[in-house]
Amino acid sequence: AQSVTQLGSHVSVSEGALVLLRCNYSSSVPPYLFWYVQYPNQGLQLLLKYTSAATLVKGINGFEAEFKKSETSFHLTKPSAHMSDAAEYFCAVRHTGGFKTIFGAGTRLFVKA
Amino acid sequence: DSGVTQTPKHLITATGQRVTLRCSPRSGDLSVYWYQQSLDQGLQFLIQYYNGEERAKGNILERFSAQQFPDLHSELNLSSLELGDSALYFCASSGGDISSTDTQYFGPGTRLTVL
Repeated sequence: AQSVTQLGSHVSVSEGALVLLRCNYSSSVPPYLFWYVQYPNQGLQLLLKYTSAATLVKGINGFEAEFKKSETSFHLTKPSAHMSDAAEYFCAVRHTGGFKTIFGAGTRLFVKA
Repeated sequence: DSGVTQTPKHLITATGQRVTLRCSPRSGDLSVYWYQQSLDQGLQFLIQYYNGEERAKGNILERFSAQQFPDLHSELNLSSLELGDSALYFCASSGGDISSTDTQYFGPGTRLTVL
């Protein structure tokens, strides 16, 4: 069975600091992995996705994530946080040929001035 | 704006009632997904339709049903409502079928409050 674990329900960083949001997955077959962002009172928006091509995936708004099979991880990073990055971030997994996307519990990112 | 529309934005109703949530996918998208987001359960996949046919089912209760019409819009019907059904219900659409890695575009959601 697939599952996604996001470490830390809340992460707080200072503006300009590195953002690191952690995601570990469990899947018995090669997965597709996704990061979504949800701003208050809005739906989810795709940041980036891994679909078995390059292991380092670049997304929108300066975010990137690296697929590490040995660590079953897909952590999201951004070199320099901006106030507008404050939102909730969801990691999700779907296995190749699978029927549904499983979302993590979400990590709320706070950015301090 | 994702191009996915959902109506209504907010819905307040009483226990035991039945409601219908509506979703219009992005132009050209054939797949529609329904999700429930609540504080205790997080974001849960409910069901997916592709070109009018049910393709995948998640944690959808028997009291809930959905359909996708020939014009590709979809409706989620929730009946015998309970307090625990209060949640945000999202619709998403994508171009492809279940094995595709097409991006899912999410609508703004319908907030359901059951009193």
